[in-house]
Amino acid sequence: DAGITQSPRHKVTETGTPVTLRCHQTENHRYMYWYRQDPGHGLRLIHYSYGVKDTDKGEVSDGYSVSRSKTEDFLLTLESATSSQTSVYFCAITPGDTDTQYFGPGTRLTVL
Amino acid sequence: AQSVTQPDIHITVSEGASLELRCNYSYGATPYLFWYVQSPGQGLQLLLKYFSGDTLVQGIKGFEAEFKRSQSSFNLRKPSVHWSDAAEYFCAVGAWGGYQKVTFGIGTKLQVIP
Repeated sequence: DAGITQSPRHKVTETGTPVTLRCHQTENHRYMYWYRQDPGHGLRLIHYSYGVKDTDKGEVSDGYSVSRSKTEDFLLTLESATSSQTSVYFCAITPGDTDTQYFGPGTRLTVL
Repeated sequence: AQSVTQPDIHITVSEGASLELRCNYSYGATPYLFWYVQSPGQGLQLLLKYFSGDTLVQGIKGFEAEFKRSQSSFNLRKPSVHWSDAAEYFCAVGAWGGYQKVTFGIGTKLQVIP
């Protein structure tokens, strides 16, 4: 258990609405990541963070923004959700003394 | 650029039979290699990892994997599969470049039949 929680765990929303997903960790890890998982694609990195207010883009960042105002929280925002953003979203952390990513339980997002 | 290929999308094995899941990677230097398992509706759980040293790596739940540099492979094995091993398995390659960049394969779904 890497001490990661994600909220909400499930969400259904409509096209064009804003959506924010939250990743919360309890162990002050510096690095945090947001992935999306889609059949046939595995997991793809959306954004990552290497500290408070320090974030950068991953390979599929279009349509997503992130914020990290506290070490423990990493927020993923879909400014105007589209059906192509229907997916399962995972947060991950890298503990400072390892090079391994540990994952949260995921959020299933459906955009109608 | 790093990449991972899992050539088998679905595999079906009988309970008690041996298992080998294939993984090939592409990376210029010595990679970090991982196997994760995902049960339905769950997050990814780390099974094992290879960074350096002994090329045969032992993991949790009785799994092992062997790093073969000459074949760019990191295949996952288990001598006797249990029904609870039914899940999706992801191979991944990682590299440190300011952050831990991890590239995942598309996964292999394992079905276990009685």
